[in-house]
Amino acid sequence: NAGVTQTPKFQVLKTGQSMTLQCAQDMNHEYMSWYRQDPGMGLRLIHYSVGAGITDQGEVPNGYNVSRSTTEDFPLRLLSAAPSQTSVYFCASRTGAYQETQYFGPGTRLLVL
Amino acid sequence: DAKTTQPPSMDCAEGRAANLPCNHSTISGNEYVYWYRQIHSQGPQYIIHGLKNNETNEMASLIITEDRKSSTLILPHATLRDTAVYYCIVSRNTGNQFYFGTGTSLTVIP
Repeated sequence: NAGVTQTPKFQVLKTGQSMTLQCAQDMNHEYMSWYRQDPGMGLRLIHYSVGAGITDQGEVPNGYNVSRSTTEDFPLRLLSAAPSQTSVYFCASRTGAYQETQYFGPGTRLLVL
Repeated sequence: DAKTTQPPSMDCAEGRAANLPCNHSTISGNEYVYWYRQIHSQGPQYIIHGLKNNETNEMASLIITEDRKSSTLILPHATLRDTAVYYCIVSRNTGNQFYFGTGTSLTVIP
């Protein structure tokens, strides 16, 4: 199993540009989530999904959209990038209800100029 | 979910036990204590979790006080590869929200 994969690893955007951060998992996990991590901070939950077709907001959802059309993929969309969205983004998945089964991807570093 | 308080940084000599404290005085009866770590900007990695009883696995031990208001993560023989940020998280076992906080930066010294 590849686990949780994220692309790209690094991206530079200009203010106002849009982009999609990709996340995929091959473990047939129902639950997937997106976090952002700012320098010196812990991870903060952006959006999560408990299964295909079901998404909900986390702690810091503004400026981000998500959808979940398949079990495997959970893309994160920035519609109009802002410098405040400069961060490292982590995708995670877990087998089901239980927190201890959460697996994280390697992260995407995003710089918005 | 309850919030946690951890020291921002700690040092530990290689080969010695690393004891990382966490305060969670507002923990609810149905909330677990989870420990994750993050090595040099990689994705966080699960270490251990518990509800009331002390727990041990191949990575670490978790000691939870009887009143559940604090806990200690113990790495019995710290190695240089244990240098990381350690997060203590309190959460319902089946909750959707998971709050990481700022964690403790552990440096293992040769």
